[in-house]
Amino acid sequence: GENVEQHPSTLSVQEGDSAVIKCTYSDSASNYFPWYKQELGKRPQLIIDIRSNVGEKKDQRIAVTLNKTAKHFSLHITETQPEDSAVYFCAASRGPGGNTGKLIFGQGTTLQVKP
Amino acid sequence: EAGVAQSPRYKIIEKRQSVAFWCNPISGHATLYWYQQILGQGPKLLIQFQNNGVVDDSQLPKDRFSAERLKGVDSTLKIQPAKLEDSAVYLCASSFPGETQYFGPGTRLLVL
Repeated sequence: GENVEQHPSTLSVQEGDSAVIKCTYSDSASNYFPWYKQELGKRPQLIIDIRSNVGEKKDQRIAVTLNKTAKHFSLHITETQPEDSAVYFCAASRGPGGNTGKLIFGQGTTLQVKP
Repeated sequence: EAGVAQSPRYKIIEKRQSVAFWCNPISGHATLYWYQQILGQGPKLLIQFQNNGVVDDSQLPKDRFSAERLKGVDSTLKIQPAKLEDSAVYLCASSFPGETQYFGPGTRLLVL
């Protein structure tokens, strides 16, 4: 069935370092890949997304890369700051024109940025 | 613009009791989703509505869970009877069809 694997489950970095989180998806029809940030006790918030017709997208310190052949995508955060500490979820869906837009989420990565 | 609203924010019930959650999506969003997020896991879709019709309820435990969106706006998710394993955060999200999903604050349910 549809599945998204996310690694690592926990990540600890020093402030200013880079952080990379990787996801692999199983449904080859997936064409939309959002990343959500969830702070403790709060709602998931979209931080960046990418569609399958694009290989890379960047927004200030955050970038996402997509390799459709290998069915994996990654989140890159540069110059990390303590306020980046949160749980990050990747997700995949068939998006517009596909089945439902249903998001299949990874298991989450707890990122800790040490000052 | 106003975000997705949910109530209540917290609920504690005994097992075998019933409970209902309410969601008001972002104005104009035809698609509404209910997700279940168990502690330490990613959200899992329970049911998706397009206006007032069900698009996907394949992972909804239909023997105890039900949901409706009668007028294509607000939605209610009900659990009856609740089990211990239903303890989770229930997230509502809405979107334009196939577009970015915006989440509500969630309802944290504890079943004792």
